[in-house]
Amino acid sequence: NAGVTQTPKFRILKIGQSMTLQCTQDMNHNYMYWYRQDPGMGLKLIYYSVGAGITDKGEVPNGYNVSRSTTEDFPLRLELAAPSQTSVYFCASTQQGAPIFDSNQPQHFGDGTRLSIL
Amino acid sequence: AQTVTQSQPEMSVQEAETVTLSCTYDTSENNYYLFWYKQPPSRQMILVIRQEAYKQQNATENRFSVNFQKAAKSFSLKISDSQLGDTAMYFCAFTTSYNNNDMRFGAGTRLTVKP
Repeated sequence: NAGVTQTPKFRILKIGQSMTLQCTQDMNHNYMYWYRQDPGMGLKLIYYSVGAGITDKGEVPNGYNVSRSTTEDFPLRLELAAPSQTSVYFCASTQQGAPIFDSNQPQHFGDGTRLSIL
Repeated sequence: AQTVTQSQPEMSVQEAETVTLSCTYDTSENNYYLFWYKQPPSRQMILVIRQEAYKQQNATENRFSVNFQKAAKSFSLKISDSQLGDTAMYFCAFTTSYNNNDMRFGAGTRLTVKP
């Protein structure tokens, strides 16, 4: 049971480069999320999706793009990498949307992608 | 804007003792939800407990309980009979009922349980 899988686990980018962080889940969850976690800080929501073909901005969407062509996949794209985007990125999914985040319907998180922009 | 504040960057407790982690939040909404998440070194986020603002009764989950003070906008987590496996970062989180996919997190409290 893979759950939420993120690739890559680590990446170093140069300023101005672009890349896509991959996220896939095998639980047939409709709701998927992308967060970033800066050192010493809590998670900040970048984008989320309530189903295939539907995405919406979170708290910190600038500099990122997402797409949701299938239920399983929710890639996050950085077009012009900037040092301020150095962070750990987490993808998450859940069967139902918040606030049904109880012990029976938890938010499943991936292991994270550590991204450094130099 | 909704904000969540955790004023204790680090805390420690002896094994089997009780510890309380603090969280305050700011919102003008009346209907919302509060959560405590645990993040061990593996970096997975694990839901510990949640509280609906319309419920006066404090939530409990085994050794974990909360003290929810709605008027004071306070939401503390009490861990009883602390275990070594409780060592982790703990995040308080908030979401409104009208845009409940946009979850706001505090900066976290690093808890160390000492043997």
